[in-house]
Amino acid sequence: GAGVSQTPSNKVTEKGKYVELRCDPISGHTALYWYRQSLGQGPEFLIYFQGTGAADDSGLPNDRFFAVRPEGSVSTLKIQRTERGDSAVYLCASSGSNEQFFGPGTRLTVL
Amino acid sequence: SQELEQSPQSLIVQEGKNLTINCTSSKTLYGLYWYKQKYGEGLIFLMMLQKGGEEKSHEKITAKLDEKKQQSSLHITASQPSHAGIYLCGAAVAGGTSYGKLTFGQGTILTVHP
Repeated sequence: GAGVSQTPSNKVTEKGKYVELRCDPISGHTALYWYRQSLGQGPEFLIYFQGTGAADDSGLPNDRFFAVRPEGSVSTLKIQRTERGDSAVYLCASSGSNEQFFGPGTRLTVL
Repeated sequence: SQELEQSPQSLIVQEGKNLTINCTSSKTLYGLYWYKQKYGEGLIFLMMLQKGGEEKSHEKITAKLDEKKQQSSLHITASQPSHAGIYLCGAAVAGGTSYGKLTFGQGTILTVHP
């Protein structure tokens, strides 16, 4: 596609539920990043993929968060046993060289 | 860890005025990225600077990276309402984003009154 796409655009869930957020990067981009942005703050790094492997997952807050990129293209961020503190906008970005392009984000609300 | 401080936190200007947003790093910058964000939307890439003293322009927006590579400024000439939004600077942690992640400042909220 022309840009990075993310689905769903909005997700409302109840505390304790499991959610999956999807990212479709720009075609051909080998690097893929997940960030989380809280209101009034800049994005915070979660995890970085180079191809299929997670090259850096140091930003994942705890073991409830997990991400995969099985074929080196689409990535899924998975959150187990969601908590109200997980509410934020989850941003995905992809990069083919030095520039990093972001998707529109998924707004997650945990009630 | 790398920290980025943006100033001012918010800025209100009259249409047609010039303005500058600053981004200061606690460590040497390997790459400095400027993005614009509208409320509820993703980040729009503006410019990337890598070399000390580098300056880039796009339409009425100019970004500079100082010689010591620890501070960048974003300057908008003759501001328009379409320039309104949140401006974010992001720093590559090491050797370009192909090898790492971006650390972001807290953002500068720009309002332009017609």
